[in-house]
Amino acid sequence: GENVEQHPSTLSVQEGDSAVIKCTYSDSASNYFPWYKQELGKGPQLIIDIRSNVGEKKDQRIAVTLNKTAKHFSLHITETQPEDSAVYFCAARSPPGGSYIPTFGRGTSLIVHP
Amino acid sequence: EAGVTQFPSHSVIEKGQTVTLRCDPISGHDNLYWYRRVMGKEIKFLLHFVKESKQDESGMPNNRFLAERTGGTYSTLKVQPAELEDSGVYFCASSPAGFGEQYFGPGTRLTVT
Repeated sequence: GENVEQHPSTLSVQEGDSAVIKCTYSDSASNYFPWYKQELGKGPQLIIDIRSNVGEKKDQRIAVTLNKTAKHFSLHITETQPEDSAVYFCAARSPPGGSYIPTFGRGTSLIVHP
Repeated sequence: EAGVTQFPSHSVIEKGQTVTLRCDPISGHDNLYWYRRVMGKEIKFLLHFVKESKQDESGMPNNRFLAERTGGTYSTLKVQPAELEDSGVYFCASSPAGFGEQYFGPGTRLTVT
């Protein structure tokens, strides 16, 4: 089955700095890679996703990159703000017909210091 | 539109006791998923309902876990008897028909002592 590794487990940055979270996956059939943000007391919320036919996707201050050959993908947050502090999860999912259930990484606790 | 709700938010029980978790999905969502996160580890899939039918229960740890979704609306997850290793946060998620975005509830934190 799919295995997703996520690093780092904790990331501490100063407000205004950039943050990068990296994930690797094992199943070359995976073609959908969502990123979730979990704030305190809430459930994970999808913030951005990327499909395997795209190498990069950007939405305001967040961007994701995907390297299919190396089987790794990353989340980039620029100009971090205290409200970006949360646990971030990456995930990988195969197309329907395979396992449509996402496999999650262990999460990264991002702390943005004012 | 109301999101996915879960009850209770926290539960502390002793080993050997029974606990029932409830999930109310977003109205109209056919797909309902249960996940669990043990502290510091990944969010792991438990099972998937399509309406009232179990589509995939390959992630259920053992037969101490029983999930139901009567009438295709809310779902319950019963743990009986609870063991120490069952502690964690149990998330429920729902999505419309097909393979669309999953919307997560806030989770139930279960502590077995």
